[in-house]
Amino acid sequence: DAGVTQSPTHLIKTRGQQVTLRCSPKSGHDTVSWYQQALGQGPQFIFQYYEEEERQRGNFPDRFSGHQFPNYSSELNVNALLLGDSALYLCASSLKGPVDTQYFGPGTRLTVL
Amino acid sequence: QKEVEQNSGPLSVPEGAIASLNCTYSDRGSQSFFWYRQYSGKSPELIMFIYSNGDKEDGRFTAQLNKASQYVSLLIRDSQPSDSATYLCAVNNQAGTALIFGKGTTLSVSS
Repeated sequence: DAGVTQSPTHLIKTRGQQVTLRCSPKSGHDTVSWYQQALGQGPQFIFQYYEEEERQRGNFPDRFSGHQFPNYSSELNVNALLLGDSALYLCASSLKGPVDTQYFGPGTRLTVL
Repeated sequence: QKEVEQNSGPLSVPEGAIASLNCTYSDRGSQSFFWYRQYSGKSPELIMFIYSNGDKEDGRFTAQLNKASQYVSLLIRDSQPSDSATYLCAVNNQAGTALIFGKGTTLSVSS
């Protein structure tokens, strides 16, 4: 049973650049959520995708955008990178139902120089 | 602003002891509660979830929920050095979409 996968594992970018992170959900899951985790902090919710639409968005600027594909995989795009965007980006998948139990992928470590 | 509060620790316990991790939340409408374990440099791993008042046991782990007090805890019995990690408490928002996390409690189990 394949778990949540993310790519790339690590990424180094410079300020002002754009980045795309990718996620494939756990087999049988239809919902993908993205989180940002800064060092020493808990993950912060960016947005959730279900049925190829953004269902809910956290307190993140429009520089953060996403997409979900028909096969339920998802992308997170960040434009005009800032130093403060350096973090671990986590994808979590779940199956929409009464309790949204989310399982995390290994994450992508983004460093902005 | 919906919040989840945890003591950052570190919480240090000897091997074989019971570790008690605590969490409070501000949103009375929250329905589902989760504990994740995160090793240094790794992603969060789901340990347990609970949504009814009372206790829920799974092996050495027991989650306790008191909605009236807006309090959820995790007990780890017979703590092992491999339990040394950061434990994240998370609460579903009322829409059931987002998880709201605390900052985590660092547990250190000494042999």
